[in-house]
Amino acid sequence: AQKITQTQPGMFVQEKEAVTLDCTYDTSDQSYGLFWYKQPSSGEMIFLIYQGSYDEQNATEGRYSLNFQKARKSANLVISASQLGDSAMYFCAMREDTNAGKSTFGDGTTLTVKP
Amino acid sequence: GAVVSQHPSRVICKSGTSVKIECRSLDFQATTMFWYRQFPKKSLMLMATSNEGSKATYEQGVEKDKFLINHASLTLSTLTVTSAHPEDSSFYICSASGDQPQHFGDGTRLSIL
Repeated sequence: AQKITQTQPGMFVQEKEAVTLDCTYDTSDQSYGLFWYKQPSSGEMIFLIYQGSYDEQNATEGRYSLNFQKARKSANLVISASQLGDSAMYFCAMREDTNAGKSTFGDGTTLTVKP
Repeated sequence: GAVVSQHPSRVICKSGTSVKIECRSLDFQATTMFWYRQFPKKSLMLMATSNEGSKATYEQGVEKDKFLINHASLTLSTLTVTSAHPEDSSFYICSASGDQPQHFGDGTRLSIL
């Protein structure tokens, strides 16, 4: 089974609106971390937000928030007030404590913000 | 500013050439670095884990002799694509493992003619 599943290959959102990018994960570890990265067309991987498995509060970083539902094993990224510069590929990733520090990445979601 | 520096950002070379890519951690000591390969519009595929002072750990299906990894210091790991062929053309990206999160280099776009 895939460890990280991103079911939306592509998403469109109108500028200034909010958008949710889905991510579900599969692990038997009690301790793990969940990450979202943005990859623009230039290729660099930009860290956006982190959620630890023991964190009770949902993580927020500016316009980014992570909707963490542990029982459902989901970690959706919410981007509020979308901007044209948000158009990029977005990856959800998980690092399990038992996996030697390696991160597992989803297949990504390409987000396009329309003016 | 960038905490991981990757060089070069782009390489175009002839088939049969060996290409070295450097990955440096700038603000911290990285005992572990990771090398990924990414095809267009696809996810990152982990190739190997680079361990300072010891041999790299390769993922299944990755040729050790084709992709040589050296991690001679706490701030530098290198990936050498030996005798590169057109099928080795890809985007290669490294990351350094510190505390959360993983820090990535800007990637190297390798094109073999």
